[in-house]
Amino acid sequence: DAKTTQPNSMESNEEEPVHLPCNHSTISGTDYIHWYRQLPSQGPEYVIHGLTSNVNNRMASLAIAEDRKSSTLILHRATLRDAAVYYCILRDWNSGGSNYKLTFGKGTLLTVNP
Amino acid sequence: KAGVTQTPRYLIKTRGQQVTLSCSPISGHRSVSWYQQTPGQGLQFLFEYFSETQRNKGNFPGRFSGRQFSNSRSEMNVSTLELGDSALYLCASSQAGGNYEQYFGPGTRLTVT
Repeated sequence: DAKTTQPNSMESNEEEPVHLPCNHSTISGTDYIHWYRQLPSQGPEYVIHGLTSNVNNRMASLAIAEDRKSSTLILHRATLRDAAVYYCILRDWNSGGSNYKLTFGKGTLLTVNP
Repeated sequence: KAGVTQTPRYLIKTRGQQVTLSCSPISGHRSVSWYQQTPGQGLQFLFEYFSETQRNKGNFPGRFSGRQFSNSRSEMNVSTLELGDSALYLCASSQAGGNYEQYFGPGTRLTVT
């Protein structure tokens, strides 16, 4: 799987937007960009994924650069409950379902201040 | 719809023993993956099962094994436990593998003494 680079940690204030960056300069044309997060003492939780176009769901937005070498997860209004480790992961759709696995990096620890 | 459940939630074992962990996926999900999480190595993929067949395996020794039953429930087994096997073991299910999102259970915390 292609490699991603994320900052080790970020801080935000409650009710403010948060932009979590991810660099993936070696991304291939068939790689989807997935985001998961892990709240304290819980298993990881799916957040969002996309290929080329920006994506929105009830949890977050994903902005993908035009060259796809970077992406940004956007939490529109951070809450204390959003404090977690956020993982940016590339998934090669072309590898087929038989090779499905998630390769987690170290992620970004997001701290939300009240 | 019920989420992924894992049993037991906590386990303490002694070096040399073996352990079996259980995972019940979300109803309708046929793919089950297992991950090990430690402070030093982070989250690492163990193996994935789909329709009772192991389709992919991570870089773990043969002491780590698993299986999947016809109802998609899965078990993983670790034989001859070592201190380094102390970790959080996470199970995740998805609809059919591939690019579908994975849903994780709360994990089983294994402590080897």
